[in-house]
Amino acid sequence: NAGVTQTPKFQVLKTGQSMTLQCAQDMNHEYMSWYRQDPGMGLRLIHYSVGAGITDQGEVPNGYNVSRSTTEDFPLRLLSAAPSQTSVYFCASSYAGVGELFFGEGSRLTVL
Amino acid sequence: SQQGEEDPQALSIQEGENATMNCSYKTSINNLQWYRQNSGRGLVHLILIRSNEREKHSGRLRVTLDTSKKSSSLLITASRAADTASYFCATDKGSNDYKLSFGAGTTVTVRA
Repeated sequence: NAGVTQTPKFQVLKTGQSMTLQCAQDMNHEYMSWYRQDPGMGLRLIHYSVGAGITDQGEVPNGYNVSRSTTEDFPLRLLSAAPSQTSVYFCASSYAGVGELFFGEGSRLTVL
Repeated sequence: SQQGEEDPQALSIQEGENATMNCSYKTSINNLQWYRQNSGRGLVHLILIRSNEREKHSGRLRVTLDTSKKSSSLLITASRAADTASYFCATDKGSNDYKLSFGAGTTVTVRA
C-alpha cells in the first residue's frame, strides 16, 4: 500500500508556464483534495472531489484547475504560473467526506 | 479564511514534560481533528473529536473540546524528542460541507 503519492517532489517554473501536479491514491478513497501550505498560514484548501466526475472549489481556487476521471487520480493543473503560487502543495484523501485525511509527502513548487 | 487558530505559535519543552496547545475556532463545527507534521513531511492524523464529545484519549494524547468556548486543547504527556513537530487543528462544519479548514499550527520543540 503506497497510500497517497505525489509527483513531482520539487519543481521550478517560470512565470506563465503551465504544469500539472500529480496525485494518486491506492486506498479506494472517494474524497480527495489539494491544499497549499505557506509559511505561517497553515493549509488552505484549493479544490476537492467527493468522487469520480465530481469536483468543487475550496478557499483559494483561482489559477488552478482539477479533474477527477478515476477514483485513484486527482491532478492539479496550474494554468499560467505566477510567483504567488510558489508554495508547498499537498494532496490528501479520505474514505468518505472530511474524516481522517491521509496526506502525500508534498510537492514544493517555485515560480520565478 | 482560516477557521482555527492555534496558541501558542511555538513551544519549547524538556523531554519528559507535558506539552499543551490550544485551538480556537470561529463558527459551529461538526468535527475537530488534530494533525502532526514533521519537518519537510506530509501531515499525519492524530485524533478526531466530534462536536458531541468532550474528551478523547489516544496513547499519550489527550484532546478536549469545549463547544461553548469554541476551543480545543491537545495535551501530549511525557514528551519525547520524536514529538518535535508542528501540530495543526482542523475543523469541518458537517452538513455536506466537504471542506476541512486548518489553523496555522503550533511548532513544538522537545529538548533532550
